[in-house]
Amino acid sequence: QSVLTQPPSVSAAPGQRVTISCSGSSSNIEDNYVSWYQQFPGTAPKLLIYDDDKRPSGIPDRFSGSKSGTSATLGITGLQTGDEADYYCGTWDRSLRAAVFGGGTKLTVL
Amino acid sequence: EVQLVESGGLLVKPGRSLRLSCITSGFTIEDYAMTWLRQAPEKGLEWVGFIRSKLYGGTTEYAASVKGRFTISRDDSKSIAYLEMDSLKTEDTAVYYCARGRWTQIRSTRYYFDFWGQGTLVTVSS
Repeated sequence: QSVLTQPPSVSAAPGQRVTISCSGSSSNIEDNYVSWYQQFPGTAPKLLIYDDDKRPSGIPDRFSGSKSGTSATLGITGLQTGDEADYYCGTWDRSLRAAVFGGGTKLTVL
Repeated sequence: EVQLVESGGLLVKPGRSLRLSCITSGFTIEDYAMTWLRQAPEKGLEWVGFIRSKLYGGTTEYAASVKGRFTISRDDSKSIAYLEMDSLKTEDTAVYYCARGRWTQIRSTRYYFDFWGQGTLVTVSS
């Protein structure tokens, strides 16, 4: 049971836009910065978004992040088949004094 | 170029100990929150713990599931981070990742992982 809640899967057609939600609480998402990671099978995760809405260099602007209250959202526009991967949200939880993650969302580009 | 390479993953019996190493290059290890994470087969990411940067005192934090059994340390002169695992359990079976963390805490906590190693597999089984 993950501290942060993500939908297990989302899907959309190539070229479309998809959003992945991440729900938490006042002790984690509301109080602290959220990051997002992309993971392809058999490989290490890769940082997509940090500080709620910032992209590291090299990450296309098709990827965006936002946060409101106890929820965060990852948005991906202009979907490509190469975006098929698992996506994880993460943040710090001040009550647990630990980093916490969502259970991951599998993106399928139909 | 920033690089992290984990090593030390093995098949071990329950109750035994194991030490993982994370050899880094391309940055100054003491300036970052060196973090260990793991991923059990077909499961999601789980944070194991980290050692804060020298600026934040080099203190450590651990997940409840490993606290008292796992110890994170680093050798700044060799640019290596370590994960010492004692009293291993079957549920510790996972791919273990080392990551370079950015951790700052003012009013809010900023903590994310900008570079990752390729992972090393630890299997705990009798």
